[in-house]
Amino acid sequence: QVQLVQSGGGVVQPGRSLRVSCGASGFTFSSYGMHWVRQAPGKGLEWVASISYDGSDKYYGDSVKGRFTISRDNSKNTLYLQMNSLRAEDTAVYYCAKDRSSAAGIFDYYMDVWGKGTTVTVSS
Amino acid sequence: EIVLTQSPATLSLSPGERATVSCRASQSVTNYLAWYQQKPGQAPRLLIYDASNRATGVPARFSGSGSGTDFTLTISSLEPEDFAVYYCQQRSNWPPKYSFGQGTKLEIK
Repeated sequence: QVQLVQSGGGVVQPGRSLRVSCGASGFTFSSYGMHWVRQAPGKGLEWVASISYDGSDKYYGDSVKGRFTISRDNSKNTLYLQMNSLRAEDTAVYYCAKDRSSAAGIFDYYMDVWGKGTTVTVSS
Repeated sequence: EIVLTQSPATLSLSPGERATVSCRASQSVTNYLAWYQQKPGQAPRLLIYDASNRATGVPARFSGSGSGTDFTLTISSLEPEDFAVYYCQQRSNWPPKYSFGQGTKLEIK
């Protein structure tokens, strides 16, 4: 079945870096755009970043632009989020998610499969 | 930037009742709007896309309607497992930027 398995969260000091990963199975990973969405404790959902099926197009939310980098390795069916210069306000559960359709252009409008989430805590 | 505003923030109902959640966009999104359900400690689940299409496996008691700036998620007869938080979501055309409403908590009365 279609599955996204996340890893790499943890506790990190402000200003430091962390990389989270998302392994995909059960679908042709290289055909789908992928996304990162986060949720701060007790808050709503916030879009973080998106990457096209081949990695050539990347887009970021304003709050992470210039600090976070989304990437993918289609040979390993894995999505990454490199987070640099972390701040306390980056503390959240980070979800990876898959485009609903591979036929909607570079990116679909919706996300149909989500990972279980990985917790990132930025604290001294 | 398109802002999505959901109402109400909290909805208190009993099993068997009808639930209606609204989502208003700050500018037209045509019909490119989705609804997600999130239960505590779980990832969001896609319920409705293109304003009115149910995602795979979603029960028929869930329906969506609307276009332009005003959208509605309706649950015709609440089941115990439907009590959760619901989010609407849209994507701007280009550059692609995604945004979510602030969420509506559906709680048992």
